[in-house]
Amino acid sequence: AQKITQTQPGMFVQEKEAVTLDCTYDTSDPSYGLFWYKQPSSGEMIFLIYQGSYDQQNATEGRYSLNFQKARKSANLVISASQLGDSAMYFCAMRERVNQGGKLIFGQGTELSVKP
Amino acid sequence: DGGITQSPKYLFRKEGQNVTLSCEQNLNHDAMYWYRQDPGQGLRLIYYSQIVNDFQKGDIAEGYSVSREKKESFPLTVTSAQKNPTAFYLCASGLANYNEQFFGPGTRLTVL
Repeated sequence: AQKITQTQPGMFVQEKEAVTLDCTYDTSDPSYGLFWYKQPSSGEMIFLIYQGSYDQQNATEGRYSLNFQKARKSANLVISASQLGDSAMYFCAMRERVNQGGKLIFGQGTELSVKP
Repeated sequence: DGGITQSPKYLFRKEGQNVTLSCEQNLNHDAMYWYRQDPGQGLRLIYYSQIVNDFQKGDIAEGYSVSREKKESFPLTVTSAQKNPTAFYLCASGLANYNEQFFGPGTRLTVL
């Protein structure tokens, strides 16, 4: 079974508009962390935002916010005021506490295209 | 500047050859990781190490080997036993609390 599911292979958004990238996860571990990364065409993985399972508030980092709905096991990334430079692949990932190594489990990614 | 470096950026290998990918970090992170990415896919874990002289297999360790003789370095060897090694390889490192994991720029390996 997929532990991280990103159901949107590709998304388009108009410049300056907000966009939501979906991510659902599956775990029985009560302690876990959720990550979002951006991967531009150059290939590097850029860390965007982190949400811990016990965090009371949704994480925010500049134009990025994470809409964390624990009961629904979803951790959607919201990008406000999209910019042309936001065009990239976006990956959702999860770390489970039971995995002592801290490894990340990644989704398949969503390719975001920002239109001028 | 603090960060993670990987070399080379591009690597070509003939079938039957072993190649070693370099990963160095100066972030003083204890944990280091190797991931593989195939076109249009997410990342999959090959090996990871939490401390010097210790490492663990990830989900797709067959055909790969690693060493961790220094905290800063975590080289990955792609052996001839790896049946389909053409891929993008990413090294990462992280802190003990695992709230952040930073990636290097990656090495693109092509088998000729």
